[in-house]
Amino acid sequence: DAGVIQSPRHEVTEMGQEVTLRCKPISGHNSLFWYRQTMMRGLELLIYFNNNVPIDDSGMPEDRFSAKMPNASFSTLKIQPSEPRDSAVYFCASTPPWVAGGPFLETQYFGPGTRLLVL
Amino acid sequence: GNSVTQMEGPVTLSEEAFLTINCTYTATGYPSLFWYVQYPGEGLQLLLKATKADDKGSNKGFEATYRKETTSFHLEKGSVQVSDSAVYFCALSASGGSYIPTFGRGTSLIVHP
Repeated sequence: DAGVIQSPRHEVTEMGQEVTLRCKPISGHNSLFWYRQTMMRGLELLIYFNNNVPIDDSGMPEDRFSAKMPNASFSTLKIQPSEPRDSAVYFCASTPPWVAGGPFLETQYFGPGTRLLVL
Repeated sequence: GNSVTQMEGPVTLSEEAFLTINCTYTATGYPSLFWYVQYPGEGLQLLLKATKADDKGSNKGFEATYRKETTSFHLEKGSVQVSDSAVYFCALSASGGSYIPTFGRGTSLIVHP
């Protein structure tokens, strides 16, 4: 089975440019998470969706960041305009439906990440 | 709020050495605790978990015990291999935090032949 697919795997861009990161979750999964990983801050949850609806975006750093999930098989994370401090590895993760409670961490399946460098 | 503190790395060991990576936490509610592993160029994978006090999670020779009295979940392995070289993340998920996951900073492990 295909895992979580992210594209591109690497992105180099110049400050001020728009960057779009893409994620295809595992088929049948109904929750999707975007994380950012940096040396300074470690792994941070940016936003998560359940059934294509954003549930918690409190981790989104500022208005330059936006995320969408137009359908169950696709999500985007957009940065506009990009800045050098946005350089990081961005991970997408998905989880299958759960019966009760919250998004239990053990069922998260991570993609390989997109390494973003903003010059 | 919830937080996870891990020992800083890198941890450098020779093959067959004993491994301990310390992890302590603070959480509201009753957390579940996890160790994830990240191999070079890959995303995180669940290594093991424990969902209540005194539970021991184990997988691939690694183990960790949920110690509520010391709020700890230290990762151990009796004999590491070169293939264990990776970054290890301690994490928690707690009802008091609406189950939003909290990760530690990660600890890099380097195992030499």
